[in-house]
Amino acid sequence: SQQGEEDPQALSIQEGENATMNCSYKTSINNLQWYRQNSGRGLVHLILIRSNEREKHSGRLRVTLDTSKKSSSLLITASRAADTASYFCATDEGGSTLGRLYFGRGTQLTVWP
Amino acid sequence: DAMVIQNPRYQVTQFGKPVTLSCSQTLNHNVMYWYQQKSSQAPKLLFHYYDKDFNNEADTPDNFQSRRPNTSFCFLDIRSPGLGDAAMYLCATSRVIREPQHFGDGTRLSIL
Repeated sequence: SQQGEEDPQALSIQEGENATMNCSYKTSINNLQWYRQNSGRGLVHLILIRSNEREKHSGRLRVTLDTSKKSSSLLITASRAADTASYFCATDEGGSTLGRLYFGRGTQLTVWP
Repeated sequence: DAMVIQNPRYQVTQFGKPVTLSCSQTLNHNVMYWYQQKSSQAPKLLFHYYDKDFNNEADTPDNFQSRRPNTSFCFLDIRSPGLGDAAMYLCATSRVIREPQHFGDGTRLSIL
């Protein structure tokens, strides 16, 4: 299975601190995407990083990708209580023409005021 | 605002009674996806349409079927729901494959 695995499963921090979540996967990829899910809601796309990219930024988000280690990390800087959510990585399998996404089980981030 | 809308948000059905979940989109995207997400688990792709081309995942139960009558609408039919089918069902769209997916807020299905 191509399914990504996030680490840690749960993360609890104070407002203003940085949050780092990691994702590992098993096979080659076309791209890797990060999504956020608030409780009881749908997923919201955060960042897409292609296999030939190493780092991307979007506001307070920074994503890195190491294809040699088959891993990615999501850094949220200066976290806010509103960042409390589950964060999922999803991989688009290399060699596939169908563009399926395989999601991990997510990291539950709690940011305390 | 362009969006993905799922109705209803909550659906209760009886064991074995067919149920249909609906999804509509105003994004005019070519691809529509259905995912099943159980509590604290990863969203699991059931099937997707690229325009009218249907792609079924190998491990999607035969009990699950889908219809896409036009670009805007997609339906998930569960012919004989079992207790194990209780989950959140998420619809998503993308303009083409390999682009970010836009999700609806899901339908939470309960089986009595």
